[in-house]
Amino acid sequence: DIQMTQSPSSLSASVGDRVTITCRTSQNINTYLNWYQQKPGKAPNLLIYAASSLQSGVPSRFSGSGSETEFTLTISSLHPEDFATFYCQQTYIAPYTFGLGTKLEIK
Amino acid sequence: QVQLVQSGAEVKKPGASVKVSCRASGYIFTDFDVHWVRQVPGQGLEWMGLINPSGGSTRYSEKLQDRVTMTRDTSSSTVYVDLSSLRSEDTAVYYCARVGGEWEPYFDYWGQGTLLTVSS
Repeated sequence: DIQMTQSPSSLSASVGDRVTITCRTSQNINTYLNWYQQKPGKAPNLLIYAASSLQSGVPSRFSGSGSETEFTLTISSLHPEDFATFYCQQTYIAPYTFGLGTKLEIK
Repeated sequence: QVQLVQSGAEVKKPGASVKVSCRASGYIFTDFDVHWVRQVPGQGLEWMGLINPSGGSTRYSEKLQDRVTMTRDTSSSTVYVDLSSLRSEDTAVYYCARVGGEWEPYFDYWGQGTLLTVSS
């Protein structure tokens, strides 16, 4: 199985901050990498697919980059509603593994 | 609009089986694979497997393959996951998710989740 290493596991930041989350994979997955945001009690919500494509309806302050084994999710300027847990996921090969998550909290 | 609506919460005893449903609407049911993902409370996301609603083919995680079965009913646009020989570690929220993207898959629509509690 492809191992996903997501960092940091938690992060404190303030409204307006720029935030970057990293996801590393145990093998080359080209750009088969997605990012999701999950709020408590809710299903995950797709933010970025294919490493850098913004899902329809997602604010442009979210962006993704990377390829092969290293990927980043960046939020350019945090809004209050952005505080949540973020997960990366590879869909290069089954099982479609997820990272362990990054919990973004308000400082 | 695309919707995936799941069945309600379940409480089961160890050793029992459970069947969770996921009814799709707002799109052509047979055009998109559906995956199942579970989440132990307070923990991360675990991929369980997928079903192709058109032909019914499935693929399961190695961890669960001896206990999980995914099926579909095209007449009602519903997919099901059946988990047998339940144990306390199966207590989790179970999600169905539709796969978008022909070449680089992603989960673009999710069900609301079904909480399964396994307890004696």
